Amino acid sequence: QQQVKQSPQSLIVQKGGISIINCAYENTAFDYFPWYQQFPGKGPALLIAIRPDVSEKKEGRFTISFNKSAKQFSLHIMDSQPGDSATYFCAASRHSGAGSYQLTFGKGTKLSVIP
Amino acid sequence: EAQVTQNPRYLITVTGKKLTVTCSQNMNHEYMSWYRQDPGLGLRQIYYSMNVEVTDKGDVPEGYKVSRKEKRNFPLILESPSPNQTSLYFCASSRGSNQPQHFGDGTRLSIL
Repeated sequence: QQQVKQSPQSLIVQKGGISIINCAYENTAFDYFPWYQQFPGKGPALLIAIRPDVSEKKEGRFTISFNKSAKQFSLHIMDSQPGDSATYFCAASRHSGAGSYQLTFGKGTKLSVIP
Repeated sequence: EAQVTQNPRYLITVTGKKLTVTCSQNMNHEYMSWYRQDPGLGLRQIYYSMNVEVTDKGDVPEGYKVSRKEKRNFPLILESPSPNQTSLYFCASSRGSNQPQHFGDGTRLSIL
């Protein structure tokens, strides 16, 4: 059972364009939604994160939009640059007992920004 | 420099030969975790540890063991590796289980 569904699998965007990656979840117990960026040969690195009490969070060219009623959240990359070419993972975290939280990742989106 | 260090980075071995992948962090983080990354499947959690001597199963723990004897180290043990454990493995640490995770650069395991 895939708890966090991410789309598209791959995305090609022209330099300067907007990249949009979408994620959907079923479990309403999720309460923390981070996005990770991974370059080839490296581990994922936290890009931006949101909690469900806000509908949008912006950091530079990166924005998370969160729709609690639809159980969807998305990453928007404005003015996409070739250096943004990477694999992006959405994730969702929920309390799993005894002070512990479990993080579930989407399957990833490979973004290519072409000049 | 704050980092999570995994060793080895690459390993080719044979079925049944016990192996250990080490993970060490220098950030005094309490929470550590192991993931495997497979094409089309994303990152799946294997085991995690809330603190020293406290470990628990993630989503795909079968065939793996872990230990947490010291705060900084969290080795992943494959007692009898099989080809379906061929994968890219990541160790991660964070201040708490619901905090941003810092990942190592990965260990690529090939089990023949």
